[in-house]
Amino acid sequence: DAKTTQPPSMDCAEGRAANLPCNHSTISGNEYVYWYRQIHSQGPQYIIHGLKNNETNEMASLIITEDRKSSTLILPHATLRDTAVYYCIVRAYSGGGADGLTFGKGTHLIIQP
Amino acid sequence: NAGVTQTPKFQVLKTGQSMTLQCAQDMNHNSMYWYRQDPGMGLRLIYYSASEGTTDKGEVPNGYNVSRLNKREFSLRLESAAPSQTSVYFCASSRPRTIEIFYNSPLHFGNGTRLTVT
Repeated sequence: DAKTTQPPSMDCAEGRAANLPCNHSTISGNEYVYWYRQIHSQGPQYIIHGLKNNETNEMASLIITEDRKSSTLILPHATLRDTAVYYCIVRAYSGGGADGLTFGKGTHLIIQP
Repeated sequence: NAGVTQTPKFQVLKTGQSMTLQCAQDMNHNSMYWYRQDPGMGLRLIYYSASEGTTDKGEVPNGYNVSRLNKREFSLRLESAAPSQTSVYFCASSRPRTIEIFYNSPLHFGNGTRLTVT
């Protein structure tokens, strides 16, 4: 699987846009970029995913660079409830090996009042 | 629509005891997964089931067994619990799997079982 690099922590003021970067410079052509978040004591929550086009849903926007080596998750109007660990994951199919998603350590986003 | 339901939410075992963690999904998903999460670490895949009747090992399968009981249910069994198995266990599922849609199928997680082995 392609490795991802995220800052360990970030702060953002409530009401502002939170922009979470992710580097995945070794991504290959058939791998999707997924974003999940985990609020303390809960299961990971799916946010959004994409291949090469920018994506938007009711939770967030995903901006993927043209060379696909990095992406940014945007929470347009952060609230205190968005405080969580955010995981950027590149998903690959390994054929006969382990399936699923490989989680790294993510970015701890803290929304400040 | 409950999504992925895990039982129990909390459990305390003594070393050597056995137990089964239950997981059920109501989204008609074919693939199901078991992960564990330890403090300061990311989630690690224990076992997965691509479809009913099949199971495969993940990254950390030792000390665990699984059963895909039917399409809805995927259980994780600890035959002889050890303190190293103290963790939070998450079950997940994703929609029917073919190569074409594999990459395009998010996993949906339950809220976990918190297991302590003393």
